Amino acid sequence: GESVGLHLPTLSVQEGDNSIINCAYSNSASDYFIWYKQESGKGPQFIIDIRSNMDKRQGQRVTVLLNKTVKHLSLQIAATQPGDSAVYFCAEKDQGAQKLVFGQGTRLTINP
Amino acid sequence: DAGITQSPRYKITETGRQVTLMCHQTWSHSYMFWYRQDLGHGLRLIYYSAAADITDKGEVPDGYVVSRSKTENFPLTLESATRSQTSVYFCASSTAYEQYFGPGTRLTVT
Repeated sequence: GESVGLHLPTLSVQEGDNSIINCAYSNSASDYFIWYKQESGKGPQFIIDIRSNMDKRQGQRVTVLLNKTVKHLSLQIAATQPGDSAVYFCAEKDQGAQKLVFGQGTRLTINP
Repeated sequence: DAGITQSPRYKITETGRQVTLMCHQTWSHSYMFWYRQDLGHGLRLIYYSAAADITDKGEVPDGYVVSRSKTENFPLTLESATRSQTSVYFCASSTAYEQYFGPGTRLTVT
């Protein structure tokens, strides 16, 4: 069935380095993708989104890349800071549907 | 601007009891959702609602009941709580695309 998954459950990076979090999806009908950040004890918070007619979108210190050929999504965080420590989820939305399907999440840890 | 709120934030209940989790949003979003979050399962959709009086099942609806008499409220009821329903519950509301999440309710069933 449909699934959205992450290649790595945990990622540890040095403060100041760039972080790359990956996500694989299987539903070729998905037309919208979101990255969420979840800090401990809080609800998921929107970071950035991308529609299927795009392959790259940039925000403040974050970039999302979409490769529809291999059904792969990535989140790049530039100059990672201690405040970036969180669990990151990717989610996809099927064309015409309102539901999001979430991946398992990747925990990002920042080393000083 | 409160956005989306959930109550209670923490709840301990006994097996077999009925418990209702509340969700309220101030944006007048049409869509609202209930998820549960467990270790190893990420976020799983329980129920969702497209508008007042329109609800539909998600991935894991068994043991839960929802209602939506007003656009801004979307309560989730566990009719007879079981230990397997111990979890963190998140409510969300949605524009056409992005979903906004509440702070969550941590429910423990003993």
